[in-house]
Amino acid sequence: AQSVTQPDIHITVSEGASLELRCNYSYGATPYLFWYVQSPGQGLQLLLKYFSGDTLVQGIKGFEAEFKRSQSSFNLRKPSVHWSDAAEYFCAVGHTSGTYKYIFGTGTRLKVLA
Amino acid sequence: SQTIHQWPATLVQPVGSPLSLECTVEGTSNPNLYWYRQAAGRGLQLLFYSVGIGQISSEVPQNLSASRPQDRQFILSSKKLLLSDSGFYLCAWSQRGPVARANTQYFGPGTRLTVL
Repeated sequence: AQSVTQPDIHITVSEGASLELRCNYSYGATPYLFWYVQSPGQGLQLLLKYFSGDTLVQGIKGFEAEFKRSQSSFNLRKPSVHWSDAAEYFCAVGHTSGTYKYIFGTGTRLKVLA
Repeated sequence: SQTIHQWPATLVQPVGSPLSLECTVEGTSNPNLYWYRQAAGRGLQLLFYSVGIGQISSEVPQNLSASRPQDRQFILSSKKLLLSDSGFYLCAWSQRGPVARANTQYFGPGTRLTVL
């Protein structure tokens, strides 16, 4: 069955430290991959997406993600976290044919210590 | 540029009352439209999606319904709210066209619904 797993429910990092949020997927082919961020009480904002080509994808706010086919992973990274990055992060898989529905992970809540 | 609006931003309703949440998109035409619910402490659940006026696909049989009376308007409704309908409701849109483009969803600001 198709699924998206975000193994870490909560992550706490200090401001200025590096960050990596994990995302693993189960899908029959190479899917479309997305990372979204949600601040409390807000909608989801698209950080970056992967469709094909270069497996290292740059996004907004200094985030990047790397698609690793062999590991079925699409981990999100940031070299230096800012206090404003505290939010919930969602990984999603989009179908490459047929419907336009996403499969969402359950999210990782990031806390940033000053 | 494209903009997506949702209203109201917050809503408190008694059990058994009706519901109408509205979502509109500006700056694009023929979008795909989606309704999601995010319950407290849980992920996002796709409720409905629409690829055109009057075309609604339901993902989860439940107390809610959706309609698309105009190209860029998507409405979520209920005749009688349940306590379990409480949550954060998000509308999203994606462009019509190639599969890759149609797969990128953009979300609205959401409506916080509390059913008492």
